[in-house]
Amino acid sequence: NAGVMQNPRHLVRRRGQEARLRCSPMKGHSHVYWYRQLPEEGLKFMVYLQKENIIDESGMPKERFSAEFPKEGPSILRIQQVVRGDSAAYFCASSPVLADTQYFGPGTRLTVL
Amino acid sequence: KNEVEQSPQNLTAQEGEFITINCSYSVGISALHWLQQHPGGGIVSLFMLSSGKKKHGRLIATINIQEKHSSLHITASHPRDSAVYICAATASGNQFYFGTGTSLTVIP
Repeated sequence: NAGVMQNPRHLVRRRGQEARLRCSPMKGHSHVYWYRQLPEEGLKFMVYLQKENIIDESGMPKERFSAEFPKEGPSILRIQQVVRGDSAAYFCASSPVLADTQYFGPGTRLTVL
Repeated sequence: KNEVEQSPQNLTAQEGEFITINCSYSVGISALHWLQQHPGGGIVSLFMLSSGKKKHGRLIATINIQEKHSSLHITASHPRDSAVYICAATASGNQFYFGTGTSLTVIP
């Protein structure tokens, strides 16, 4: 049973470009969580999704950021018109049910030049 | 003030020592998580608990709901335990709150 997979592991974008981060949850997991870790800071919750639904996006910036978890395929975190302040490690986690142990992916390290 | 506070921020121990990391929270929670982040950045979920005590190998996690406090203990610490340990609270309404982490270094 493969773990949570994230790709790419490293992503470099120039200011103004779009960044797409992908997360494939563990098999059988229908709950996906996205977290951001800014340099030298702690983890911050961004969004919680179930298949085809956003359950809680209270941690998402109001502009430029969006997330989806379609019926088929990975969850996508999309950042439009990236700025240098978006440079961070973005972690995805999944769980089989709500409030269960979460399994983390290796993270995507986004660098905005 | 953060909803989740951890102490200490940094901890250095000699190999073999008993280690305690503390976590206090100010929100009502449905679960309390302890995470381990390795120097390379990978995150592992160590424990999820809502009451009492859990043990896994040399790691023990306890929670006192009335006092809103949790502890992570490491017995017979080893250099490979060196990592950042993060306390996280899952509150009602799917809110997640993270502590700032405790950076542990175990010296051989």
